[in-house]
Amino acid sequence: GQNIDQPTEMTATEGAIVQINCTYQTSGFNGLFWYQQHAGEAPTFLSYNVLDGLEEKGRFSSFLSRSKGYSYLLLKELQMKDSASYLCAVRDSNYQLIWGAGTKLIIKP
Amino acid sequence: GAVVSQHPSRVICKSGTSVKIECRSLDFQATTMFWYRQFPKQSLMLMATSNEGSKATYEQGVEKDKFLINHASLTLSTLTVTSAHPEDSSFYICSASSPAGGNSPLHFGNGTRLTVT
Repeated sequence: GQNIDQPTEMTATEGAIVQINCTYQTSGFNGLFWYQQHAGEAPTFLSYNVLDGLEEKGRFSSFLSRSKGYSYLLLKELQMKDSASYLCAVRDSNYQLIWGAGTKLIIKP
Repeated sequence: GAVVSQHPSRVICKSGTSVKIECRSLDFQATTMFWYRQFPKQSLMLMATSNEGSKATYEQGVEKDKFLINHASLTLSTLTVTSAHPEDSSFYICSASSPAGGNSPLHFGNGTRLTVT
């Protein structure tokens, strides 16, 4: 079956750096997405990786290793507003999006 | 960027009534839209894929006669929750891909919080 694993919850300190990992096992691979979702709101797109390596976008970076079925989202200079759930999603060979359960990130002052 | 509008944002209805949720792509044509449901503290669950001009494709366990989907144009899909019951109370979110290519992300509407009393 298809599976995406992320930690359920993480806690970090304001101003610090946090890495949220995602491992996946899917039938085929056509890209990996990271979304941010604040409580009670819809997800918003953060990043997309389809080739191995690091994609940097401001304070957020996302890394992909296709051979390892692994990605991480790196958040730098954490702010209180970064408290949210972070969803990892993989597009499989049928271009279906397979969603992880999300990682709830708690930022403490 | 691509914008998806969803309406209403919140609705409270009585058990047994039907509720219609609209999803519009405002600045692009979406041949395919997706309907998700999310219960508190849980991840997104795909309910169905809405295809313009044809029948929707429902995920296993989702009752097609209860959750009616109509995708009559390239910019509008509707989800009707028929004979709603309290267990249907949830956060419903629609999404669509802009037709920019394989790496185009899903763009989400703002969601509809449905409460059935």
